[in-house]
Amino acid sequence: KQEVTQIPAALSVPEGENLVLNCSFTDSAIYNLQWFRQDPGKGLTSLLLIQSSQREQTSGRLNASLDKSSGRSTLYIAASQPGDSATYLCYINTNAGKSTFGDGTTLTVKP
Amino acid sequence: ETGVTQSPTHLIKTRGQQVTLRCSSQSGHNTVSWYQQALGQGPQFIFQYYREEENGRGNFPPRFSGLQFPNYSSELNVNALELDDSALYLCASSLTDIQETQYFGPGTRLLVL
Repeated sequence: KQEVTQIPAALSVPEGENLVLNCSFTDSAIYNLQWFRQDPGKGLTSLLLIQSSQREQTSGRLNASLDKSSGRSTLYIAASQPGDSATYLCYINTNAGKSTFGDGTTLTVKP
Repeated sequence: ETGVTQSPTHLIKTRGQQVTLRCSSQSGHNTVSWYQQALGQGPQFIFQYYREEENGRGNFPPRFSGLQFPNYSSELNVNALELDDSALYLCASSLTDIQETQYFGPGTRLLVL
């Protein structure tokens, strides 16, 4: 069974800081990995999708990496802004067609 | 905006009752997935429908059932509600299957008293 862990559960940083969110998984036979953002009480917004054959994806100030051998993915946020405050969720699809979310990291960026 | 809508936004039920939640997928998306998200946790996969047939199920009992219609709408039905069913219910649509980029609706928050 795929287990997905996100550490830390919560993170608070001052505006402008660069930061890294971590996602670890136990089953390396993944099909793809997706990072989502969730604002309080709202649905999920897809940020980046990394296919199994890729090592990283970039969108604006966001960069996601994937290392299947170590069972890790990171989401790097550059020059953080208060509007980045949200919960960030890691989501993994395996080759067997199973999907699992992590419990998320709640980020607070202070002005 | 993802183009995926859900109704109602909030709902209060009592234990033992039945509830139907609705989702309207993006036009052209043949797959809809439903998730349950308890407070402070990640979403848990309930099931997936592809072209009106169930195409995968998570660890949820049979009292959780669904329907998908040809007009890209779908329903999640929960019978014999329990207190632990209180959660945010999310639907997501994708073009062909769950392994593609999924587009989530805003969710329905269900409270069971």
